[in-house]
Amino acid sequence: LAKTTQPISMDSYEGQEVNITCSHNNIATNDYITWYQQFPSQGPRFIIQGYKTKVTNEVASLFIPADRKSSTLSLPRVSLSDTAVYYCLVGAYSSASKIIFGSGTRLSIRP
Amino acid sequence: DTGVSQDPRHKITKRGQNVTFRCDPISEHNRLYWYRQTLGQGPEFLTYFQNEAQLEKSRLLSDRFSAERPKGSFSTLEIQRTEQGDSAMYLCASSSTRDQETQYFGPGTRLLVL
Repeated sequence: LAKTTQPISMDSYEGQEVNITCSHNNIATNDYITWYQQFPSQGPRFIIQGYKTKVTNEVASLFIPADRKSSTLSLPRVSLSDTAVYYCLVGAYSSASKIIFGSGTRLSIRP
Repeated sequence: DTGVSQDPRHKITKRGQNVTFRCDPISEHNRLYWYRQTLGQGPEFLTYFQNEAQLEKSRLLSDRFSAERPKGSFSTLEIQRTEQGDSAMYLCASSSTRDQETQYFGPGTRLLVL
């Protein structure tokens, strides 16, 4: 199973760029990297997904180096509403049981 | 709202009772997943369906747990003879074959076993 390691928590301020790095040394060839955001008492919400290099959407960017053993979620100009837990997942969706959420990174944004 | 819905949102029960939760996925999604989440932890995979077929089950899913998706639409998760350790948030998610890597989660059912 491709296990992921993320920082337990991070703090930042409104307007800053926040980068959360996830390590996944045992990533397999077929595995995608996916990031979810979760607010208290809500289900996780998909943020972004990638396989290699860089992916960008309207809310975030995902940087994946050539060896794919890590990935970095970049949130530009965070606001208070970005305070949440962020999960990095690695897996191939042909085998759902092998996709592990881990404990996530608790991001706190201050004014 | 055409997202994933779950019912009930909260359930309090006494140890030993049976409980059943319902999940209604996004209508065109043929994959449906159940997860369990305890405080401070990420969701843990329990089981998943493709249409009405239950394709994978976690070893976490003891014989007191059973899930069904009889017509390939909504799904139910039943816990028999509940134990205090079953207290958790039970999350349902769905995805489509076209975009199976993206799971859409419901708001969850929070279970408290007294």
